[in-house]
Formats: sequence, C-alpha cells, structure tokens
Amino acid sequence: LAKTTQPISMDSYEGQEVNITCSHNNIATNDYITWYQQFPSQGPRFIIQGYKTKVTNEVASLFIPADRKSSTLSLPRVSLSDTAVYYCLVGDFTSGTYKYIFGTGTRLKVLA
Amino acid sequence: EAQVTQNPRYLITVTGKKLTVTCSQNMNHEYMSWYRQDPGLGLRQIYYSMNVEVTDKGDVPEGYKVSRKEKRNFPLILESPSPNQTSLYFCASTAGWGQVTEAFFGQGTRLTVV
Repeated sequence: LAKTTQPISMDSYEGQEVNITCSHNNIATNDYITWYQQFPSQGPRFIIQGYKTKVTNEVASLFIPADRKSSTLSLPRVSLSDTAVYYCLVGDFTSGTYKYIFGTGTRLKVLA
Repeated sequence: EAQVTQNPRYLITVTGKKLTVTCSQNMNHEYMSWYRQDPGLGLRQIYYSMNVEVTDKGDVPEGYKVSRKEKRNFPLILESPSPNQTSLYFCASTAGWGQVTEAFFGQGTRLTVV
C-alpha cells in the first residue's frame, strides 16, 4: 500500500524559492507523481506531474530521484497568492486496485 | 469549458435520511472518484470508477455507495448518514490512470449530518 508523507507546514517570504518534499514508498513502477494546490473551500488544482529526474513548467519544477521514493516540488519566487495547501498524489496499483493516495498536505504560508 | 459539477454545494441533513450527491463531468473521462476531506486527515478516496459499470472501493468506503450508469455521471449515495460522515466531499475525474493523473475536481459539497 502506497503511503505518502509531507511536512505539515512551512513559512516563507515573498520572492524566495520554496521546496516541499513528499516521501512515498511502494508506488507503482510505471506510475507518475503528481502535485496539487488547494485554496480554502476549493477543489485541488493540478500543478505538475513527473516520472523521474526533473520536470519544469511555467509555475513549478519537480525533482524525482532515481529510486523514486520521494519527490520535491519547487516553487520559484513565491508570492502571497501562493499561500495554500500543497499535496502530492501517487497511485496504489497493487493487488488489482487502481486507487490514488494523497499526501497529508503541506500548508505553505507566504509572508510579506 | 471543461468542468466537474457537484450538487449540492451545501447540505445539512439528519441521521438516517438517505441522500445523494451528484457529480457530472463533460470531458468524456474514464476515471472518476470521490474523496472526503477532514481536518488533519487530508483527502481520502472513498470510491472510484474506471468506466461505466466498473466501480471499486477506495480507502474509506464504509457507509457509502456509488454507481456509474453513464460515463459522465458518478453519484455518491449515503443510505443512512451518520454524524461521522460530516465532511467536505470532492468529486474528481481523470482521462485515465497510471500515466494520466491530472485530475479535475468539483467545487466540493459540504455535508453536515446532525
């Protein structure tokens, strides 16, 4: 059973780079790792996904080591509007199931 | 516009009174799922469906039922709600699974069972 662990909370200042790590064991061999952002009273919103090494899009980067037991979401130069909860998501495709497991979530607070 | 629509957004009900929360997506996605979100516990998957007439339990299925008679709809049914099912519920849809994991979420349904 895939299980994910994230830091509960982080504080940062505007303009800084923020790195949030998710530990995940036993994810499916061919499964991707996905990260979501959630604001209060809204559904999670897709940020980025990757399989291995490094992926970058217009809002974030994702680093995944060769053993794929963890992943790090990197937000460059955060602003106040990045204050939100960030979740990693992995699949649990063992024993014929096709479940998805969210991480515990990291509450990021960006300070002025 | 691609979207997942849940109804109602807010619901207060009494213990034991059957209710249904509807979910509809307009993206022709195969994979749909329901999550509940509780303080300190994050999002937990209740049920999922890989296609029409194919459903399976997630991590917290007790007390819930689902059906998938059409590809676009995936209602969540609480036959006999109890106070411990008071929670924020989200429906989500994905084009597939495995390599395709960008999920689109509804706006949520805040359920209170008294």
